[in-house]
Amino acid sequence: EAGVAQSPRYKIIEKRQSVAFWCNPISGHATLYWYQQILGQGPKLLIQFQNNGVVDDSQLPKDRFSAERLKGVDSTLKIQPAKLEDSAVYLCASKKSGTNYEQYFGPGTRLTVT
Amino acid sequence: TQLLEQSPQFLSIQEGENLTVYCNSSSVFSSLQWYRQEPGEGPVLLVTVVTGGEVKKLKRLTFQFGDARKDSSLHITAAQTGDTGLYLCAGERDYKLSFGAGTTVTVRA
Repeated sequence: EAGVAQSPRYKIIEKRQSVAFWCNPISGHATLYWYQQILGQGPKLLIQFQNNGVVDDSQLPKDRFSAERLKGVDSTLKIQPAKLEDSAVYLCASKKSGTNYEQYFGPGTRLTVT
Repeated sequence: TQLLEQSPQFLSIQEGENLTVYCNSSSVFSSLQWYRQEPGEGPVLLVTVVTGGEVKKLKRLTFQFGDARKDSSLHITAAQTGDTGLYLCAGERDYKLSFGAGTTVTVRA
């Protein structure tokens, strides 16, 4: 079974530019998460989708971050405009609906904002 | 501010030694999960503990959930170089995970 796919793996941009990350979850996983992991910290949940609907985006900085999951499969996370403090690894995870199911993480996209 | 505090932040030991990593919180969680993350990869789940006082063993790894379901520990017996990595604890509440900052474990040959 293929794992969670993310692209690109690395991205370097200048502040005030925009960037987009893509995630393809494991087939059949209805729940999808985006996390931000700043160096030296644990992952922080940004947004959670159930199929193509948003369940929780309370920690998403909505003035600059946006995310969508069209058709309930792939998802994109966008930052516009980027700030220096957005430098981090952006992790996508997916899981089956319901309790007692494990979250599977992708390899992440490392973003550097200069 | 991390909801879960992990200690120590860094741990470097010789192969064959034992180590313990702690995860503490003032909040109660429905479950506590431990992950290991290697450079350039996402976290991989090691174990989930659900019941207060629960102890789970996976080969040389022993996981314990506190009676009050607020804290947990991970103990590795006879560490091997392959145990090197970032160990993260995560508390689950309302199907969402809150992660600690992690403990970086280095096992020297």
